[in-house]
Amino acid sequence: SQQGEEDPQALSIQEGENATMNCSYKTSINNLQWYRQNSGRGLVHLILIRSNEREKHSGRLRVTLDTSKKSSSLLITASRAADTASYFCATDGNTDKLIFGTGTRLQVFP
Amino acid sequence: GAGVSQSPSNKVTEKGKDVELRCDPISGHTALYWYRQSLGQGLEFLIYFQGNSAPDKSGLPSDRFSAERTGGSVSTLTIQRTQQEDSAVYLCASSLSGVHEQYFGPGTRLTVT
Repeated sequence: SQQGEEDPQALSIQEGENATMNCSYKTSINNLQWYRQNSGRGLVHLILIRSNEREKHSGRLRVTLDTSKKSSSLLITASRAADTASYFCATDGNTDKLIFGTGTRLQVFP
Repeated sequence: GAGVSQSPSNKVTEKGKDVELRCDPISGHTALYWYRQSLGQGLEFLIYFQGNSAPDKSGLPSDRFSAERTGGSVSTLTIQRTQQEDSAVYLCASSLSGVHEQYFGPGTRLTVT
């Protein structure tokens, strides 16, 4: 399976702290994407990193990619209560469709 | 439209009945996906449409599930003879192509009683 696996499954932090989530995958990829989901409904795209990129930033988000280890991390700096959500990585596995991981549930306490 | 829409937003049905779930993708998006998500779980891939190519049905869990996409736009996911284990949120997404950013609809919450 080319499914990504997120780690940890759940994470609880205080507002202002940083949150780090990891994703591991099994096959080579063209790109890896991170998504956020609130309240079990539709997902929202956060960031896409290509296989030839090592790091990418978007606001308080920082994504790294290590293709040799087949892993990626998502860092949310200075977290806010509004960041509480589930976060998923998705990989294309050199195919034309995305496969999503199992997700990390992040809880940020005020 | 402005985004991906799905209908109905909620559906309660009796075991054994058939249901149809609808997805309206973003205009111009050639790729359309259906996923299923059980409570507290990740996304389970069901089916993928890309342009005029034959759909990738590899994720459909049984022959009770089928989907079609008419005119390269609207898609309908049909579940025949529903079972309680079919209860989940069914999510639709579209994208410019298979490996681009996906835009998700709000989902249909299906409850089979």
